[in-house]
Amino acid sequence: AQSVTQLDSQVPVFEEAPVELRCNYSSSVSVYLFWYVQYPNQGLQLLLKYLSGSTLVKGINGFEAEFNKSQTSFHLRKPSVHISDTAEYFCVPLKTALIFGKGTTLSVSS
Amino acid sequence: DVKVTQSSRYLVKRTGEKVFLECVQDMDHENMFWYRQDPGLGLRLIYFSYDVKMKEKGDIPEGYSVSREKKERFSLILESASTNQTSMYLCASSLISGSNADTQYFGPGTRLTVL
Repeated sequence: AQSVTQLDSQVPVFEEAPVELRCNYSSSVSVYLFWYVQYPNQGLQLLLKYLSGSTLVKGINGFEAEFNKSQTSFHLRKPSVHISDTAEYFCVPLKTALIFGKGTTLSVSS
Repeated sequence: DVKVTQSSRYLVKRTGEKVFLECVQDMDHENMFWYRQDPGLGLRLIYFSYDVKMKEKGDIPEGYSVSREKKERFSLILESASTNQTSMYLCASSLISGSNADTQYFGPGTRLTVL
């Protein structure tokens, strides 16, 4: 069974619109969850992570994510996106190692 | 700042050649990882290592081997390169414990083309 499902492979939005990138994880993995971002022609970098404590996690560049145990979700949100947020986003649970899925491509246009 | 470096950004090899991809990290991280990234497939874990001389298979180890003789260096070896190993290869490292445990820091990647 897949450990994580990113429900949308592509998300096109207009600049300054809100965005939510959806992620559901399998209950068989640990509840350590990460969001990584890969900007065009750049390496992967950590956006935010949930290990324990507050279920609302704030990351870099105005992104936040909420861990929801009952719905096994860890959706990523930003209230107002910029063109520079165009990138590929990966929701990643930690098992023995981080388990990367296919990602969601966020395309922000003006 | 953590720095993870990979020996080459671009590499072109012929089918059947033995290929070495080198990765070095400078933050004394215990864990090191090799992934490949392919369009539509995301990142897939090939091998990882949690200590010197220790290695564990990831999801797609076939056709690859690894070597970790020193803590800072993790090598990925393609014993006999094949065209289906054309891909972007990413190295990462992380700590085992502490506030930044499990956060993986990635290198810039090596784009390997096998002809």
